[in-house]
Amino acid sequence: QQQVKQSPQSLIVQKGGISIINCAYENTAFDYFPWYQQFPGKGPALLIAIRPDVSEKKEGRFTISFNKSAKQFSLHIMDSQPGDSATYFCAARGLYNFNKFYFGSGTKLNVKP
Amino acid sequence: ETGVTQSPTHLIKTRGQQVTLRCSSQSGHNTVSWYQQALGQGPQFIFQYYREEENGRGNFPPRFSGLQFPNYSSELNVNALELDDSALYLCASSRDGNQPQHFGDGTRLSIL
Repeated sequence: QQQVKQSPQSLIVQKGGISIINCAYENTAFDYFPWYQQFPGKGPALLIAIRPDVSEKKEGRFTISFNKSAKQFSLHIMDSQPGDSATYFCAARGLYNFNKFYFGSGTKLNVKP
Repeated sequence: ETGVTQSPTHLIKTRGQQVTLRCSSQSGHNTVSWYQQALGQGPQFIFQYYREEENGRGNFPPRFSGLQFPNYSSELNVNALELDDSALYLCASSRDGNQPQHFGDGTRLSIL
Protein backbone atom coordinates (compact mmCIF):
# COMPACT_ATOMS: atom_id res chain seq x y z
CA GLN A 1 0.00 0.00 0.00
CA GLN A 2 1.47 3.30 -1.10
CA GLN A 3 1.03 5.77 1.73
CA VAL A 4 2.14 8.83 -0.25
CA LYS A 5 1.15 9.32 -3.88
CA GLN A 6 3.08 11.82 -5.98
CA SER A 7 2.30 13.38 -9.35
CA PRO A 8 3.26 14.05 -12.05
CA GLN A 9 5.90 11.45 -12.75
CA SER A 10 7.74 13.91 -14.99
CA LEU A 11 7.48 17.62 -15.67
CA ILE A 12 8.92 19.94 -18.30
CA VAL A 13 8.92 23.66 -17.56
CA GLN A 14 10.39 26.63 -19.38
CA LYS A 15 13.00 28.73 -17.62
CA GLY A 16 11.27 31.34 -15.50
CA GLY A 17 8.08 29.32 -15.21
CA ILE A 18 6.43 27.78 -12.16
CA SER A 19 6.92 24.09 -11.41
CA ILE A 20 4.18 22.43 -9.36
CA ILE A 21 4.45 18.95 -7.87
CA ASN A 22 1.62 17.38 -5.91
CA CYS A 23 1.43 14.77 -3.19
CA ALA A 24 -1.48 13.11 -1.40
CA TYR A 25 -1.34 10.93 1.68
CA GLU A 26 -3.73 8.41 3.16
CA ASN A 27 -2.72 8.14 6.79
CA THR A 28 -3.76 11.02 9.03
CA ALA A 29 -1.10 10.09 11.57
CA PHE A 30 1.70 11.97 9.85
CA ASP A 31 3.33 14.97 11.51
CA TYR A 32 6.10 16.18 9.24
CA PHE A 33 6.22 16.58 5.46
CA PRO A 34 9.61 17.21 3.84
CA TRP A 35 10.55 17.61 0.21
CA TYR A 36 13.84 16.28 -1.11
CA GLN A 37 15.82 17.12 -4.23
CA GLN A 38 17.98 14.44 -5.82
CA PHE A 39 20.53 14.89 -8.60
CA PRO A 40 21.80 11.89 -10.60
CA GLY A 41 24.42 9.97 -8.66
CA LYS A 42 23.68 11.82 -5.43
CA GLY A 43 21.62 11.16 -2.35
CA PRO A 44 18.44 13.14 -1.63
CA ALA A 45 18.96 16.56 -0.06
CA LEU A 46 16.35 18.23 2.13
CA LEU A 47 14.83 21.18 0.31
CA ILE A 48 12.01 22.41 2.52
CA ALA A 49 9.62 20.90 5.08
CA ILE A 50 6.30 21.70 6.73
CA ARG A 51 4.28 20.59 9.75
CA PRO A 52 0.49 20.09 9.52
CA ASP A 53 -0.36 23.07 11.71
CA VAL A 54 0.87 25.42 8.97
CA SER A 55 -0.84 25.91 5.58
CA GLU A 56 2.09 27.39 3.71
CA LYS A 57 5.84 27.72 4.06
CA LYS A 58 8.12 29.68 1.78
CA GLU A 59 11.89 29.57 1.48
CA GLY A 60 13.29 31.60 -1.37
CA ARG A 61 11.82 30.34 -4.64
CA PHE A 62 10.38 27.21 -3.00
CA THR A 63 6.93 27.10 -1.38
CA ILE A 64 5.01 24.24 0.23
CA SER A 65 1.23 24.48 0.31
CA PHE A 66 -0.49 22.15 2.76
CA ASN A 67 -4.20 21.22 2.80
CA LYS A 68 -4.83 19.13 5.90
CA SER A 69 -8.51 18.42 5.21
CA ALA A 70 -7.77 17.17 1.70
CA LYS A 71 -4.60 15.34 2.85
CA GLN A 72 -2.64 17.00 0.09
CA PHE A 73 0.51 19.06 -0.11
CA SER A 74 2.40 20.53 -3.01
CA LEU A 75 5.75 22.05 -3.90
CA HIS A 76 5.87 25.20 -6.01
CA ILE A 77 9.15 26.30 -7.58
CA MET A 78 8.92 29.88 -8.73
CA ASP A 79 11.15 31.28 -11.49
CA SER A 80 12.34 27.76 -12.33
CA GLN A 81 15.96 27.53 -13.49
CA PRO A 82 17.83 24.87 -15.49
CA GLY A 83 19.82 24.16 -12.30
CA ASP A 84 16.56 23.04 -10.67
CA SER A 85 16.42 20.07 -13.07
CA ALA A 86 16.42 17.08 -10.73
CA THR A 87 14.12 14.47 -9.23
CA TYR A 88 11.93 15.69 -6.38
CA PHE A 89 10.46 13.48 -3.67
CA CYS A 90 7.81 14.29 -1.14
CA ALA A 91 7.76 12.37 2.12
CA ALA A 92 5.73 11.99 5.29
CA ARG A 93 6.81 10.95 8.77
CA GLY A 94 4.68 8.77 11.03
CA LEU A 95 3.33 10.59 14.08
CA TYR A 96 3.65 7.52 16.29
CA ASN A 97 6.79 6.21 14.65
CA PHE A 98 9.21 9.08 14.25
CA ASN A 99 11.71 6.76 12.67
CA LYS A 100 9.71 5.84 9.62
CA PHE A 101 9.39 8.02 6.56
CA TYR A 102 7.17 7.24 3.59
CA PHE A 103 8.41 8.64 0.29
CA GLY A 104 6.50 9.42 -2.88
CA SER A 105 7.65 7.84 -6.13
CA GLY A 106 9.35 11.00 -7.38
CA THR A 107 8.94 13.67 -10.07
CA LYS A 108 11.62 14.21 -12.64
CA LEU A 109 11.75 17.94 -13.41
CA ASN A 110 13.37 19.25 -16.57
CA VAL A 111 13.66 23.03 -16.86
CA LYS A 112 14.29 24.08 -20.46
CA PRO A 113 16.57 27.10 -21.03
CA GLU B 1 31.91 19.28 9.03
CA THR B 2 32.14 15.88 7.34
CA GLY B 3 28.95 14.67 5.71
CA VAL B 4 27.55 11.16 5.45
CA THR B 5 29.86 8.85 3.55
CA GLN B 6 29.02 5.42 2.18
CA SER B 7 31.16 2.63 0.82
CA PRO B 8 31.54 1.10 -1.59
CA THR B 9 29.92 3.29 -4.26
CA HIS B 10 29.17 0.35 -6.55
CA LEU B 11 29.00 -3.38 -5.98
CA ILE B 12 28.15 -6.38 -8.13
CA LYS B 13 27.08 -9.66 -6.55
CA THR B 14 25.40 -12.86 -7.63
CA ARG B 15 22.22 -14.43 -6.30
CA GLY B 16 22.63 -16.21 -2.99
CA GLN B 17 25.69 -14.22 -1.92
CA GLN B 18 25.94 -11.96 1.10
CA VAL B 19 26.87 -8.27 1.12
CA THR B 20 27.89 -5.66 3.69
CA LEU B 21 27.45 -1.96 3.06
CA ARG B 22 29.00 0.71 5.26
CA CYS B 23 28.01 4.17 6.38
CA SER B 24 29.82 6.85 8.36
CA SER B 25 27.39 9.27 9.92
CA GLN B 26 27.82 13.02 9.91
CA SER B 27 29.83 14.43 12.78
CA GLY B 28 27.65 14.82 15.88
CA HIS B 29 24.91 12.53 14.60
CA ASN B 30 23.98 9.43 16.61
CA THR B 31 21.09 8.10 14.53
CA VAL B 32 21.43 6.24 11.23
CA SER B 33 18.62 5.14 8.93
CA TRP B 34 18.93 2.87 5.91
CA TYR B 35 16.77 3.07 2.79
CA GLN B 36 16.43 1.03 -0.39
CA GLN B 37 15.76 2.99 -3.58
CA ALA B 38 14.78 0.93 -6.60
CA LEU B 39 15.27 2.48 -10.02
CA GLY B 40 12.67 5.16 -10.65
CA GLN B 41 11.17 4.86 -7.17
CA GLY B 42 11.32 6.73 -3.90
CA PRO B 43 13.44 5.48 -1.01
CA GLN B 44 11.89 2.78 1.19
CA PHE B 45 12.73 2.67 4.89
CA ILE B 46 14.62 -0.46 5.93
CA PHE B 47 15.50 0.28 9.57
CA GLN B 48 17.03 2.82 11.91
CA TYR B 49 19.75 2.57 14.55
CA TYR B 50 19.96 4.87 17.55
CA ARG B 51 22.84 4.57 19.98
CA GLU B 52 23.71 1.07 18.72
CA GLU B 53 20.16 -0.32 19.04
CA GLU B 54 17.64 -1.00 16.26
CA ASN B 55 14.96 1.65 16.66
CA GLY B 56 12.31 0.91 14.06
CA ARG B 57 12.04 -1.32 11.02
CA GLY B 58 10.22 -1.24 7.69
CA ASN B 59 8.71 -4.14 5.74
CA PHE B 60 11.93 -5.94 4.94
CA PRO B 61 12.69 -9.61 5.66
CA PRO B 62 15.11 -10.69 8.41
CA ARG B 63 17.88 -11.33 5.86
CA PHE B 64 18.29 -7.55 5.98
CA SER B 65 20.17 -6.82 9.19
CA GLY B 66 22.33 -4.07 10.55
CA LEU B 67 24.75 -2.86 13.15
CA GLN B 68 25.73 0.44 14.64
CA PHE B 69 29.12 0.92 16.25
CA PRO B 70 30.16 3.08 19.23
CA ASN B 71 31.36 5.79 16.83
CA TYR B 72 27.82 5.73 15.32
CA SER B 73 28.95 4.38 11.97
CA SER B 74 26.73 1.61 10.67
CA GLU B 75 26.58 -1.48 8.48
CA LEU B 76 23.78 -2.96 6.43
CA ASN B 77 24.05 -6.69 5.82
CA VAL B 78 21.95 -8.56 3.29
CA ASN B 79 22.05 -12.36 3.14
CA ALA B 80 20.88 -14.71 0.39
CA LEU B 81 20.80 -11.95 -2.21
CA GLU B 82 17.94 -11.95 -4.69
CA LEU B 83 17.64 -10.23 -8.06
CA ASP B 84 15.09 -7.79 -6.59
CA ASP B 85 17.69 -6.57 -4.12
CA SER B 86 19.32 -4.65 -6.97
CA ALA B 87 18.91 -1.02 -5.92
CA LEU B 88 20.58 2.08 -4.56
CA TYR B 89 21.05 1.75 -0.79
CA LEU B 90 21.01 5.04 1.05
CA CYS B 91 22.13 5.87 4.53
CA ALA B 92 20.90 8.96 6.37
CA SER B 93 22.05 10.34 9.71
CA SER B 94 20.54 12.76 12.18
CA ARG B 95 20.98 13.96 15.74
CA ASP B 96 18.76 12.03 18.20
CA GLY B 97 16.44 11.03 15.36
CA ASN B 98 15.40 14.63 14.85
CA GLN B 99 15.31 16.36 11.51
CA PRO B 100 16.80 17.08 9.18
CA GLN B 101 18.22 13.80 8.00
CA HIS B 102 21.36 14.07 5.91
CA PHE B 103 21.74 11.46 3.19
CA GLY B 104 24.87 9.93 1.76
CA ASP B 105 25.23 9.36 -1.98
CA GLY B 106 24.43 5.68 -1.65
CA THR B 107 25.79 2.31 -2.73
CA ARG B 108 24.58 1.00 -6.06
CA LEU B 109 24.12 -2.77 -5.65
CA SER B 110 23.62 -4.93 -8.73
CA ILE B 111 22.66 -8.60 -8.45
CA LEU B 112 23.40 -10.88 -11.41
